[in-house]
Amino acid sequence: AQSVTQLGSHVSVSEGALVLLRCNYSSSVPPYLFWYVQYPNQGLQLLLKYTSAATLVKGINGFEAEFKKSETSFHLTKPSAHMSDAAEYFCAVSPRYNQGGKLIFGQGTELSVKP
Amino acid sequence: DVKVTQSSRYLVKRTGEKVFLECVQDMDHENMFWYRQDPGLGLRLIYFSYDVKMKEKGDIPEGYSVSREKKERFSLILESASTNQTSMYLCASSGLAGGRAKNIQYFGAGTRLSVL
Repeated sequence: AQSVTQLGSHVSVSEGALVLLRCNYSSSVPPYLFWYVQYPNQGLQLLLKYTSAATLVKGINGFEAEFKKSETSFHLTKPSAHMSDAAEYFCAVSPRYNQGGKLIFGQGTELSVKP
Repeated sequence: DVKVTQSSRYLVKRTGEKVFLECVQDMDHENMFWYRQDPGLGLRLIYFSYDVKMKEKGDIPEGYSVSREKKERFSLILESASTNQTSMYLCASSGLAGGRAKNIQYFGAGTRLSVL
């Protein structure tokens, strides 16, 4: 069965510092991969997705993620954190051939940004 | 823009009550999903539907049922609410519109349910 692991339930960075949120997946076939962001009291919003084109994927708000098959990873990065990046981030995986487009989510990582 | 609308942002119900959570999407999506979100547990799939009148159990269906009579509407039903169903409930939809975008799920704002 596929699964997603996000390392670190809480990450704290200073404003202007590098943001690195880690995600590893388990799958025999490279799946589709997603990062979602959830701001307080809101639903989830898609940040970026990997669907087997370029391995470096650029998303909204300056975020990007790199798919590394050898490491089964899809870590999310942003060069310089802003206060507005404080939110919860979810990594998700979708098998390539699944009915209904089901997603399997990681447990989430809460990002705090200190001034 | 895709819009997924959940009927209530906050609900307070009493133990034993029957509770309906409604979700409507405006993108003619085939697939609709109900999740619950709890701290430290991420999102857990309760039920999903890939067509009108079709439903499949997710990972935690116990205590819940669903209804999809029309393509745009997916309802989550708590037959007899219990305190352990106090949670944030999120609805999502996805579809073939846009071709390769079919696996992208679009979420509503969520309903925070408290069962007293």
